[in-house]
Amino acid sequence: AQSVTQPDIHITVSEGASLELRCNYSYGATPYLFWYVQSPGQGLQLLLKYFSGDTLVQGIKGFEAEFKRSQSSFNLRKPSVHWSDAAEYFCAGHNNAGNMLTFGGGTRLMVKP
Amino acid sequence: AAGVIQSPRHLIKEKRETATLKCYPIPRHDTVYWYQQGPGQDPQFLISFYEKMQSDKGSIPDRFSAQQFSDYHSELNMSSLELGDSALYFCASSSQYAGELFFGEGSRLTVL
Repeated sequence: AQSVTQPDIHITVSEGASLELRCNYSYGATPYLFWYVQSPGQGLQLLLKYFSGDTLVQGIKGFEAEFKRSQSSFNLRKPSVHWSDAAEYFCAGHNNAGNMLTFGGGTRLMVKP
Repeated sequence: AAGVIQSPRHLIKEKRETATLKCYPIPRHDTVYWYQQGPGQDPQFLISFYEKMQSDKGSIPDRFSAQQFSDYHSELNMSSLELGDSALYFCASSSQYAGELFFGEGSRLTVL
């Protein structure tokens, strides 16, 4: 079945430290992949997306993600985390057949001062 | 730029009541999606419509129904509400095969 998984439910990092959130996908063809961020009780904000082309994608708020076909991964990175980055992060994907988006289980990021 | 509009933003209902959520997609988008996000959960796909016809169906309960109207807005009707229906309901819209879904801010339903 086509799916997206996020192996880490919770991650805690110190402010100023680097961050990597993992995402693995399972699709027959190259999927369309997305990272969203959600603050408590709020909507989904798109951080970045990958459709094709350059495998390193730049997003908003200093985030980037790298598509690695050999590892079926699309990990999200940020070189220096700010306290305001504390939120829930969702990886999502679809195979463009109707655009139905499937979400990973989410990773809750906590930032220590 | 115009975004996806959802109404109401907050709704409180009693058990066994009925609720209707509305979604107004971005102009010229032909596809609408509904997602349900329970507390501490990831968004779960409920149903989608393309050009006013149902295109995909996910984990939507039989008590729920939805449709897309001629002006492309969509409504999600929920009857015989249960406590477990309390959730954030997202609507998203896209152009078919354009790749990206655009999400609304969500409608928070609380069932007491």
